[in-house]
Amino acid sequence: SAVISQKPSRDICQRGTSLTIQCQVDSQVTMMFWYRQQPGQSLTLIATANQGSEATYESGFVIDKFPISRPNLTFSTLTVSNMSPEDSSIYLCSEKNIGLYGYTFGSGTRLTVV
Amino acid sequence: DQQVKQNSPSLSVQEGRISILNCDYTNSMFDYFLWYKKYPAEGPTFLISISSIKDKNEDGRFTVFLNKSAKHLSLHIVPSQPGDSAVYFCAARVMGAQKLVFGQGTRLTINP
Repeated sequence: SAVISQKPSRDICQRGTSLTIQCQVDSQVTMMFWYRQQPGQSLTLIATANQGSEATYESGFVIDKFPISRPNLTFSTLTVSNMSPEDSSIYLCSEKNIGLYGYTFGSGTRLTVV
Repeated sequence: DQQVKQNSPSLSVQEGRISILNCDYTNSMFDYFLWYKKYPAEGPTFLISISSIKDKNEDGRFTVFLNKSAKHLSLHIVPSQPGDSAVYFCAARVMGAQKLVFGQGTRLTINP
């Protein structure tokens, strides 16, 4: 399975600022996803990152707040914009190749907004 | 609307015994189910999966059972080892899509 490098692993940010999280996969993958895990909660899908086109967002998540880029088949970024303390969560990227059943996750970014 | 539910937030099992983690779902359009294990400060690690057309899948110490009529799946770990202590998530894939829906997780503690 693919290996995902995610960075930063953690950050403490001031409210009102933005943070960009990067995920690099060691091979070309068909699909990439971004999840959020709020404290004590499950993983919630934010969006599917589409190569060369706009991401597909889940209900409750919007592009202005969580802009996503995927310039090629091995790399994606998620930006958390205009942060508030409610954005304090773990953010994870994931990948999947068509025909392969396992989804691989990055190690996560623990974000604290103060 | 929680489509995938893990009703036990925690489970404690003695080393060497069987650990059984449970998961219920409500959406009949799920076609694939997966179990993940997560250690603190790490991303979830894929453990085992099962297609909706099967009722059992086994991989070493891990076995997943699927009861479609009850919309229930379970993960059996036997024998349990201290390294199995982690949070376990069940996840389901929506038929025709590639995205996963996760349960809330169960924290498993294996006691020596």
